[in-house]
Amino acid sequence: GAVVSQHPSRVICKSGTSVKIECRSLDFQATTMFWYRQFPKQSLMLMATSNEGSKATYEQGVEKDKFLINHASLTLSTLTVTSAHPEDSSFYICSARGSLGTVTTNYGYTFGSGTRLTVV
Amino acid sequence: GDSVTQMEGPVTLSEEAFLTINCTYTATGYPSLFWYVQYPGEGLQLLLKATKADDKGSNKGFEATYRKETTSFHLEKGSVQVSDSAVYFCAGGYNKLIFGAGTRLAVHP
Repeated sequence: GAVVSQHPSRVICKSGTSVKIECRSLDFQATTMFWYRQFPKQSLMLMATSNEGSKATYEQGVEKDKFLINHASLTLSTLTVTSAHPEDSSFYICSARGSLGTVTTNYGYTFGSGTRLTVV
Repeated sequence: GDSVTQMEGPVTLSEEAFLTINCTYTATGYPSLFWYVQYPGEGLQLLLKATKADDKGSNKGFEATYRKETTSFHLEKGSVQVSDSAVYFCAGGYNKLIFGAGTRLAVHP
């Protein structure tokens, strides 16, 4: 089945530094990637949607200059949290949507295992 | 706009009890609907899905039927196990997923 690998699973960084989170689709081409943020004991909030080769579309209230998203290939998307601060500490989850190989059927959304970011 | 509403938790049950977690959606048209499960410290795993009205999704003893008339997609399981303890999210959408608030389930022996 479709697998999405996300790493790192955990990262601790100092305030003011930048952190990059990678999300890879291992056995399918991810035409669209979604990035979510989850606060403790809360639901997932969609931050942005990116299509391969295009600029990401950010949800209202999400700072695009702070959360840089790159989707340069059909198997890799990255989220960079720039100049991180303690309030950016959260659980970040990516999700990919695409089709397996040459099959055009949409296999739905596959989620990565998440990255817990702690900014100290 | 589109929204997904699911029952608040936590839900606490004894092993082998019957489980229902309600989920309703508000959208233009009939989006695909999903149930995801999240174990502590992990990402989301797809539990089941339905893509059109009257579809029934099922997996690992869990079931949910896409009811167009009531715009609902309630999750059910006839006999829960301790290992089912997790947070369950209902979600729906066309080009992007909108999530419900999540329902924490705790099953005790």
